[in-house]
Amino acid sequence: EAGVAQSPRYKIIEKRQSVAFWCNPISGHATLYWYQQILGQGPKLLIQFQNNGVVDDSQLPKDRFSAERLKGVDSTLKIQPAKLEDSAVYLCASSGVRDRRFYRAEKLFFGSGTQLSVL
Amino acid sequence: RKEVEQDPGPFNVPEGATVAFNCTYSNSASQSFFWYRQDCRKEPKLLMSVYSSGNEDGRFTAQLNRASQYISLLIRDSKLSDSATYLCVVNNRAAGNKLTFGGGTRVLVKP
Repeated sequence: EAGVAQSPRYKIIEKRQSVAFWCNPISGHATLYWYQQILGQGPKLLIQFQNNGVVDDSQLPKDRFSAERLKGVDSTLKIQPAKLEDSAVYLCASSGVRDRRFYRAEKLFFGSGTQLSVL
Repeated sequence: RKEVEQDPGPFNVPEGATVAFNCTYSNSASQSFFWYRQDCRKEPKLLMSVYSSGNEDGRFTAQLNRASQYISLLIRDSKLSDSATYLCVVNNRAAGNKLTFGGGTRVLVKP
């Protein structure tokens, strides 16, 4: 099956500029996550969608970050304006529906990520 | 205190040796636990789930200790290809399947 698609793969911008990332999850996956991974750290959840509704955005810096998942399929994450500390890899992940045998929704499939450098 | 904590390492392991490391979690309501593997400059991938009774997958063994709130991963007969960062993941289903990652433990297997 096709994996999680993300673009762009790399992005370099100057501080105070805007940037947007795109993610297309695995077909049929209801849950979509955006994670921020700073070098040397584990992924930090920014926002979690269930279909097109937000489940958790408690760690999203809402003064500069925004995300949407129109029609419950693909998603965009935007940063406006960017700061130096936003330099990180932005990972999109999706997970599937519950299977009667086991709770499959907890297996995350990650995209390759977008490496953002803010100068 | 962080929700999920791991020793960052690195654990330098001779090829063929056994290595084990733990992950502690603070939320006693956490229901399910996982180990993910992340290679350098790659995305994380699920290694194994961690069951209450402990589980084994080839050379990898995962254990859960609910009383002390930690999970462990043991790698036997280490291979060079086992060099990676191992991420502990804790799920709180009551919070809408909130998956929280630890900071990762780096393992370097050397010849």
